[in-house]
Amino acid sequence: KAGVTQTPRYLIKTRGQQVTLSCSPISGHRSVSWYQQTPGQGLQFLFEYFSETQRNKGNFPGRFSGRQFSNSRSEMNVSTLELGDSALYLCASSFWQGGNTEAFFGQGTRLTVV
Amino acid sequence: ILNVEQSPQSLHVQEGDSTNFTCSFPSSNFYALHWYRWETAKSPEALFVMTLNGDEKKKGRISATLNTKEGYSYLYIKGSQPEDSATYLCASDPNDYKLSFGAGTTVTVRA
Repeated sequence: KAGVTQTPRYLIKTRGQQVTLSCSPISGHRSVSWYQQTPGQGLQFLFEYFSETQRNKGNFPGRFSGRQFSNSRSEMNVSTLELGDSALYLCASSFWQGGNTEAFFGQGTRLTVV
Repeated sequence: ILNVEQSPQSLHVQEGDSTNFTCSFPSSNFYALHWYRWETAKSPEALFVMTLNGDEKKKGRISATLNTKEGYSYLYIKGSQPEDSATYLCASDPNDYKLSFGAGTTVTVRA
C-alpha cells in the first residue's frame, strides 16, 4: 500500500512569507503528527491530529499551525517565516496514535528560508 | 532541551563486529519506548515499540532491551553490515499523542 506522502519535497521561501506543507497519510490511518528537525536537534514535535481534532501541540510559536481534513490529509502552515524555520519537516501517520502504536513517516519537506 | 538522551552520538564499527548503544528516558509517566532507523535520503522506519519492563525484542540481527524502572533501553546490532549504517532514534511515548525523540546515534559500518 502507498506510504505517507509529503509535498512538496523541497521549498525555498523568503523571510516574512508563509508556507503550507501537505501530508497524505497511509490509507486508513487517522492520526497524523508533524515534527521538525534542525541540524543537531532531534525530531521536535509540532502537533498531532486525529479525526480533524488537534490532540496535542508542541512548544512552538503560534506562527506554526495545522489542520486535518475529513479524509485524514493534513496541512501545516508557517506564517511570517524566519531564517530559523529552515528545517526538515516530517509527518507521520498511524492508525491510532496512542501508546504502543508505531508511526510511519513520510520523506519530509525540506524548507529553506532565505 | 531533550529529555530523551542517546549515547554515543556517533560510532564507527568494523563490518562483522557487534555494537550497542543507549537511550535514556524519563521513567515517570512511561508508556512505551520506540526505536526507529533512519537511513540517509529515506524516511525513519519503525524497528520496535516496547512497553514492558524487561522486554526484549529482536528483528534479524538487531535487538533491543528495556528497563522502565531506571529509564533506559539498549539497542544491539550483531555482526554489523554496511546496510546497518543509519541513524538510530529512540522516542519516549507517555501516551499523550506525541513522541519525544532523542538526537539519535549515527552508526557507520566500515567494510
